[in-house]
Amino acid sequence: GENVEQHPSTLSVQEGDSAVIKCTYSDSASNYFPWYKQELGKRPQLIIDIRSNVGEKKDQRIAVTLNKTAKHFSLHITETQPEDSAVYFCAARGLQGSARQLTFGSGTQLTVLP
Amino acid sequence: EPEVTQTPSHQVTQMGQEVILRCVPISNHLYFYWYRQILGQKVEFLVSFYNNEISEKSEIFDDQFSVERPDGSNFTLKIRSTKLEDSAMYFCASRGQMNTGELFFGEGSRLTVL
Repeated sequence: GENVEQHPSTLSVQEGDSAVIKCTYSDSASNYFPWYKQELGKRPQLIIDIRSNVGEKKDQRIAVTLNKTAKHFSLHITETQPEDSAVYFCAARGLQGSARQLTFGSGTQLTVLP
Repeated sequence: EPEVTQTPSHQVTQMGQEVILRCVPISNHLYFYWYRQILGQKVEFLVSFYNNEISEKSEIFDDQFSVERPDGSNFTLKIRSTKLEDSAMYFCASRGQMNTGELFFGEGSRLTVL
């Protein structure tokens, strides 16, 4: 099955700096890569996603890049703010099963220092 | 905005007891999932459900777990004989479309097994 590795596990940045989180996946057939933000005690919320036919996608201060050849994708947050502090999970969706579940990375605790 | 709802938000039970966690997916969605998150760890896939049957299940989803969609709106997860290691947050999720479609998570049910 799919295996998703995520790094780093913790990341601290100064407010206004950029943050980058990286993930690799194992199944070359995976075609959908979302990123979720999870605040303490809350549900994961989708912040951005990318499909395998696109190399980069941007939404205001967040962007995701995908390298299909290397099987890795990254989340970039620019001009970080304290409210960006949360756990971020990457995920990949392969072609297993008719419902095609997501496989999640282990998460990155991002702390933005004021 | 439509959302996935889960009950109870928190359940405390004794080891060996049966627990039923309930979910109401978004009404026009076709794919339903249960995920588990042990405190401080990643979101782990348990089971997916489509067309009134289990589509895929993980190694975690052993014989003590079962799912049902009894009435076309509710989607339940039953744990027959709870163990201490079943203590976790259980998230229900649903998705509308096969090849696209964001996965929407419920707020989660926190299960504490004593």
